Amino acid sequence: QVQLEESGGGLVKPGGSLRLSCAASGFTFSDYYMSWIRQAPGKGLEWISFISSSGNTIYYADSVKGRFTISRDNAKNSLYLQMNSLRAEDTAVYYCARARRGAAYILDYWGQGTLVTVSS
Amino acid sequence: DIQMTQSPSSLSASVRDRVTITCRASQNISSYLNWYQQKPGKAPKLLIYAASSLQSGVPSRFSGSGSGTDFTLTISSLQPEDFATYYCQQSYSSPLTFGGGTKVEI
Repeated sequence: QVQLEESGGGLVKPGGSLRLSCAASGFTFSDYYMSWIRQAPGKGLEWISFISSSGNTIYYADSVKGRFTISRDNAKNSLYLQMNSLRAEDTAVYYCARARRGAAYILDYWGQGTLVTVSS
Repeated sequence: DIQMTQSPSSLSASVRDRVTITCRASQNISSYLNWYQQKPGKAPKLLIYAASSLQSGVPSRFSGSGSGTDFTLTISSLQPEDFATYYCQQSYSSPLTFGGGTKVEI
């Protein structure tokens, strides 16, 4: 069965960096587009980044552009999010999600999320 | 960016009630509209995609309709496990955007 498992979250000081990972299993990872979505405590969902199956096409939300970098390693069935210059407003649960085949922006499977807390 | 507006933001209902949630897009998105269910402490789950297509494994009491700018999620007979927050999301263009959510409470 399809599984996505995020890791790498934790407490970091403002201005610090963190790298999130998402381990995929149960499907051919290299065939699928992927996204990162976050959810601040008690708030709604915010899409933050997309990467195509090959990694050649990447998009970011304006809120993270220039600070976050999405990448993937298809040989390791893994998705990553490098987060730099972190701010208090980046505090959230971060989810990785798979896009439905043939539909880049329909998110059919989600991981359980990893909590990132930015605080001094 | 395309803005997604859901209403109501919350509602109270009883088991076996028919529940309707609406979502409005700030521009024409054709049928590029998806619905997700999220329970506390859990990841969102895809219910409906392309406005009206039921995701595999989702009970048939869930249905979606609409096109253009106005969309509806209907739960025909609310079950205890349906108490959750529901989000719409447009998949028409980047950046993907979500509605603010509708919390369905007892």
